[in-house]
Amino acid sequence: AQSVTQPDIHITVSEGASLELRCNYSYGATPYLFWYVQSPGQGLQLLLKYFSGDTLVQGIKGFEAEFKRSQSSFNLRKPSVHWSDAAEYFCAVAPNNDMRFGAGTRLTVKP
Amino acid sequence: NAGVTQTPKFQVLKTGQSMTLQCAQDMNHEYMSWYRQDPGMGLRLIHYSVGAGITDQGEVPNGYNVSRSTTEDFPLRLLSAAPSQTSVYFCASSYRFNTDTQYFGPGTRLTVL
Repeated sequence: AQSVTQPDIHITVSEGASLELRCNYSYGATPYLFWYVQSPGQGLQLLLKYFSGDTLVQGIKGFEAEFKRSQSSFNLRKPSVHWSDAAEYFCAVAPNNDMRFGAGTRLTVKP
Repeated sequence: NAGVTQTPKFQVLKTGQSMTLQCAQDMNHEYMSWYRQDPGMGLRLIHYSVGAGITDQGEVPNGYNVSRSTTEDFPLRLLSAAPSQTSVYFCASSYRFNTDTQYFGPGTRLTVL
């Protein structure tokens, strides 16, 4: 069955430090992969998505993600975190008309 | 352009009661969906629709009904509420497919006692 795993429930980084959020998927075919962000009390907002082609994908707010087929991973990165990046981040995979989300990683940013 | 709107924001029900969560979008999107969000489980797809008159089940459809009579509206009905349906519910829409950018509503927090 298709599934998405986000190994880190909670991550704390200092403002200005780099960030990497991990995502692993289990899916038979070439997946459509997404990263969404949810600020407290809000709905989700799409950061970036990968369908095919260049395995390094650029998104909004300075985020990027790299698709690695050999590792079944789609990790999200940002070179320098801002306090406003504190939120919950969800990786998702879309087989057919379904969409499966990971459990999320909560990011705390220390001043 | 209001985007995706959901009503109500909060609701408390007693076990066995029924209710409808409303969702509307003004972007002329074909694809609409309902998710529930539970702690530690991310979002799970309940039902989705690829256009007016067409609906299908997602990962967790039991206890919920949907219909899509217009492009704009996609209500979610709880037929007989159970405590296990206590959750935050999100509606989302996208242009044609779920792989297009999905726009999410602000959510409805439902508590079933």
